[in-house]
Amino acid sequence: QVQLQESGPGLVKPSETLSLTCTVSGGSISNYYWSWIRQPPGKGLEWIGYITYSGSTYYNSSLKSRVTISLDTSKNQFSLKQSSMTAADTAVYYCTRYSYTYVAFDIWGQGTMVAVSS
Amino acid sequence: EIVLTQSPGSLSLSPGERATLSCRASQSVSGTYLAWYQQKPGQAPRLLIYGAFSRATGIPDRFSGSGSGTDFTLTISRLEPEDSAVYYCQQYGSSPPIFTFGQGTKVNIK
Repeated sequence: QVQLQESGPGLVKPSETLSLTCTVSGGSISNYYWSWIRQPPGKGLEWIGYITYSGSTYYNSSLKSRVTISLDTSKNQFSLKQSSMTAADTAVYYCTRYSYTYVAFDIWGQGTMVAVSS
Repeated sequence: EIVLTQSPGSLSLSPGERATLSCRASQSVSGTYLAWYQQKPGQAPRLLIYGAFSRATGIPDRFSGSGSGTDFTLTISRLEPEDSAVYYCQQYGSSPPIFTFGQGTKVNIK
């Protein structure tokens, strides 16, 4: 059974770059697409972007200038880097598997809370 | 960009009752690209329905999806206490790829 686990800092200073990693266990990172989604406290879900198994990336246009998603197949991991963090970026960040068969996010990590504060 | 509007914002029902949740799109959406998720407090969302009406693996048959075009519905027949959660609809748009979510409907079981 495929499981996802996010890791990274829980606190980031304003203007700094957030780096999160998602480790995929119980299955290969190949042959699927992988995505990041965030949820500000008490609010809804916002798609950040995804990366295909071949390394192609697609980002939400609202975040595109600040976001990079990368893949490390040797470690079965994918990562998110988001620059110029502000308080508005405070959220739970989820890594997910995107199924292009279902056109939906079928497996989610538990999420990691990231607060932006000095 | 397509906007998804969910209604009602919240509803409170008793066990055994039926819940009908609406998701309306600002433009026509292919049913293939419409999904529903359930999120319980402190948990990650869980995929319930994909392709507008297909249940994901392990989802009980009391959850059903329907609709087309701009109007989609998630129905929970015979509510159980564990169905208390926020439910989100999500659509996929291509060129360029983008995924958007509705604002959610909170279901409270009395």
